[in-house]
Order: sequence, then C-alpha cells, then structure tokens
Amino acid sequence: GAVVSQHPSWVICKSGTSVKIECRSLDFQATTMFWYRQFPKQSLMLMATSNEGSKATYEQGVEKDKFLINHASLTLSTLTVTSAHPEDSSFYICSARGMGTTYEQYFGPGTRLTVT
Amino acid sequence: AQTVTQSQPEMSVQEAETVTLSCTYDTSESDYYLFWYKQPPSRQMILVIRQEAYKQQNATENRFSVNFQKAAKSFSLKISDSQLGDAAMYFCAYRNTGFQKLVFGTGTRLLVSP
Repeated sequence: GAVVSQHPSWVICKSGTSVKIECRSLDFQATTMFWYRQFPKQSLMLMATSNEGSKATYEQGVEKDKFLINHASLTLSTLTVTSAHPEDSSFYICSARGMGTTYEQYFGPGTRLTVT
Repeated sequence: AQTVTQSQPEMSVQEAETVTLSCTYDTSESDYYLFWYKQPPSRQMILVIRQEAYKQQNATENRFSVNFQKAAKSFSLKISDSQLGDAAMYFCAYRNTGFQKLVFGTGTRLLVSP
C-alpha cells in the first residue's frame, strides 16, 4: 500500500514552454502533498507544501508564479513549470501524506525535467 | 530553524560488514521525529527507519538500527551484514510534530564492495 506515482518520469521541453508534472496517490487519500527539487548529487530541497483545496505554501526563494501547484483532489497534485528555462532542469520529487497518518510521507519516483 | 548535518559525504563497506552513518541535528523542540531515507540509483526515496524523540528505545528494522542520543542530538544509522543492494545515498531527516515538512541532511553515499 501507500503508492505514489509521478507522470511523466522524464520530460524534455524547449525553453519558454510550460510543462506539467502530475503526482498521484494511488491507494490512499493524500491530504497534504509536498514538492521537492533535487540537483545532481545534492539533497532534496522543499519547494512547496499543498493541502487539498487550499493554496500551496511556498518555501522562501521559490517563485510561486513560475512553479504553479494545484492540489485539486485528494489523490492528485500538479506542478506546472511555466516559461521553463535551462536552469529549471532538475529532478522533481513529490511526496504525499495521508489522512490519519502521524508522520509518514510516501515519495513518488520523481520526474526528470530537461529544458533545452 | 532546524538543521540536519551529515558530515560523511561518502562511506565504503565490504559485503557482510557493518557500517555506521552519522547524523546530527539542531532543534529547540523536545518532541520530534527522525528518519533515515535511502535513495538508490533509481532515485526512489525509501524510508529505512524512523525514531520518535519521546521514545528512549532505539528503533530497529531487520539489519538497520539507530543510535539515538537525544542530549547530544545525534542520530546514527548502523547497517549490519551489508549487502550490495544497500549501496545508495542515505539521507537523514527531521520533522517537528507540529509541522509536516521534512528537513533533510546533505546525504551520505554508501559504497558496498564484494
């Protein structure tokens, strides 16, 4: 149980275009989802926290107009990178926390974004 | 703000041997959670073990155990009988009881040789 999926697993887009990444909790309802960014050989950096039906809370230094997060249902959150540039190329990971769980976050497999 | 420090960028161990990964953290809270996550080459984050700060007993999961020293704010991971599949990045993480976000350390790359 407690599976989180991400789609796509790898995406290449041209500079200036927007790309959407989906994060789904497959077998539980996720009241809270988290989006992380990970550069090569570095740790995970939290970008934002989203609660179902509410606006996302962004970490300091993360551009909310560039990284649009929507958590419209208890099983789906999306991250849209708007007007992507090469410096946005990174590995994006989501995690989800279900109702009734005290501390467990379940991670998705990640999405590699390459902006050319 | 809470911080998590992993001072070992890389560790090596031979199969069947034991290795200990270090982690220290800083917090003014008295109750919190600590975690060790494994990130293999697939980059899927896998929870290895967790510890509640109010519990004095060290957590154990099969070959994985922790040495939790609350006063010293230290949380090390011991891997016994190391296996080739243990090779991965290991991240130590902290979470307050009242907040949901995880604070990660910089990670330790574990190499396992036959």
